[in-house]
Parts: sequence; C-alpha cells; structure tokens
Amino acid sequence: SQELEQSPQSLIVQEGKNLTINCTSSKTLYGLYWYKQKYGEGLIFLMMLQKGGEEKSHEKITAKLDEKKQQSSLHITASQPSHAGIYLCGADINDYKLSFGAGTTVTVRA
Amino acid sequence: NAGVTQTPKFRILKIGQSMTLQCTQDMNHNYMYWYRQDPGMGLKLIYYSVGAGITDKGEVPNGYNVSRSTTEDFPLRLELAAPSQTSVYFCASSYTGSGTEAFFGQGTRLTVV
Repeated sequence: SQELEQSPQSLIVQEGKNLTINCTSSKTLYGLYWYKQKYGEGLIFLMMLQKGGEEKSHEKITAKLDEKKQQSSLHITASQPSHAGIYLCGADINDYKLSFGAGTTVTVRA
Repeated sequence: NAGVTQTPKFRILKIGQSMTLQCTQDMNHNYMYWYRQDPGMGLKLIYYSVGAGITDKGEVPNGYNVSRSTTEDFPLRLELAAPSQTSVYFCASSYTGSGTEAFFGQGTRLTVV
C-alpha cells in the first residue's frame, strides 16, 4: 500500500481550465515536495512545504499543506499544454526516507 | 552544473546477467537514493545512503546491492537479473534527508529479457 495516496490517478482538462491534485498521508508530514515528470525524463522539483497552513505559488501553480500536515493539494490555474505530465508528491515520512505517491497523470487538451 | 548523472540511459540484460548502474553527483550532497519506477506505481525506494560508508535498505531492496565509498558516487548493483527488475531506475541526492529538495538524475531504462 502507498504511504502517500494521490488523487486522482489521472485527469484530462481542457486548456484554460483549472485543476487540483491531492496528496494524503496517514502520518504527519514533516516535509512535502511536489515534482513534475515528463514522459521518459527525470523529476523536476516544483515546491516544498513544511509548515502547517503553508501555501506557495510559482507562476500558475499553487500548493498548500493543511494545518494538520497530513494533506497537500496542488492547484493549476488556466492550464496550458506545458502543464501536461506526471505530478508526484513526495514526503519525509520515515526518517530520511523520501517516499512518493503513485503520481497523477495530467493531460491538457487544446 | 552537472547535478546528478546516471549511466547508462538504456540497457537490455538477459536473465541471470549482472550489471552496475552508475550514479554520481557533484553537489557535495550527503544523502543519496535509488528508486525504481513502474507504471502507475510511483517511485519505490530501493536503497539510500546518509553519507559515505553508510547505506540502508528501502522498501524494495531484494535483488540489489549498493555501496558508498565516496560522497559523489552511489552505484547500484543488480545480481542475477530477473524480468521483475525491468523498470526505470532513478538516482537522487539531497543535502540533508529532510527539509531540502532532492535532485534527480535522468533515469536508466532497464529491460531484462
């Protein structure tokens, strides 16, 4: 079973529409990371959240970590084709072992 | 700025063969990780290291071995390759184990036939 549950597993969004991806843990998250991966390539770091209630934004991507530090969401506003890819959340759950969710595949249709 | 470099990028192995996946980083990071990625399964941690001379098992260590003789290098050894080891392998490094981002290599796509 995954220690980090991501939802949805995949989604298709019309260009210009918003989308949200969730990442949930049964344990307290001491550091939550969002990465993006394009097919056949490595992972690109997007954001890191550490404090409960923290919210960070970069261009059209916003990530939040809830107060209890067990869930995070990634929101993309006005999606573009460049936002297509696999989004993975990673977290420090078990003493230096950076664990990852199964990923969410995002398809943006023109 | 090389970052994390993995070699080779692609490899086909026959069942029972052995090979070493190379990983090197030039950022003086203490922590290094090996993951495998299978479709729909995210990244599974194979082994990790918190510094030269120190390694520990992750979630799926069976069939693999690692060593960390220097800060820069963290090779992953596959002994007696099996079809179940067909996967994409990623090496990553970070300065500390918590609170700092991990940098990833471009991956090695391994097929065992």
